[in-house]
Amino acid sequence: GENVEQHPSTLSVQEGDSAVIKCTYSDSASNYFPWYKQELGKRPQLIIDIRSNVGEKKDQRIAVTLNKTAKHFSLHITETQPEDSAVYFCAAGDSGYSTLTFGKGTMLLVSP
Amino acid sequence: EPEVTQTPSHQVTQMGQEVILRCVPISNHLYFYWYRQILGQKVEFLVSFYNNEISEKSEIFDDQFSVERPDGSNFTLKIRSTKLEDSAMYFCASSEARGGTEAFFGQGTRLTVV
Repeated sequence: GENVEQHPSTLSVQEGDSAVIKCTYSDSASNYFPWYKQELGKRPQLIIDIRSNVGEKKDQRIAVTLNKTAKHFSLHITETQPEDSAVYFCAAGDSGYSTLTFGKGTMLLVSP
Repeated sequence: EPEVTQTPSHQVTQMGQEVILRCVPISNHLYFYWYRQILGQKVEFLVSFYNNEISEKSEIFDDQFSVERPDGSNFTLKIRSTKLEDSAMYFCASSEARGGTEAFFGQGTRLTVV
């Protein structure tokens, strides 16, 4: 089955800095890679996703890159703000199946 | 904005008891899921459900667990003979299509087994 590794487990940055979270996956059949943000005590919410036919996707301060050859994908947050503080989960899935395999999460702390 | 709703928000039960966690998926979605998140750990897939049957399940989803769609709107997870290690946040999710599309999560049910 799919195995998703996520690093780092915690990340502390100053407001305005950039943050990068990295994930690797094992199953070359995976072709869908969403990122979820989970604020304390709340549900995971999709913030951005990327499919394997795309190498990079950007939405305002958030971008995701995908390297299919190396089987890794990354989340980039620029100009971080305190409200970006949350746990971020990467996930990998195959559009032919319904299972999403999640990484262990990264706790991002943005200090004012 | 439509959302997945779950009840109850918190359930406390004694070890060995049965619990039923309830979910109302988004109305036009066809695929339904249960995930589990033990405190401080990652979200883990339990089961997916489509067309009134289980389509995929993980090794966590053993005979202790069952799912049901008793009517056109509810989707339930039953845990028989609960164990202490079943204590976790249980998230229901739904999506329009099978894969490669956004899964919308409910707010979760925190299950505490004492």
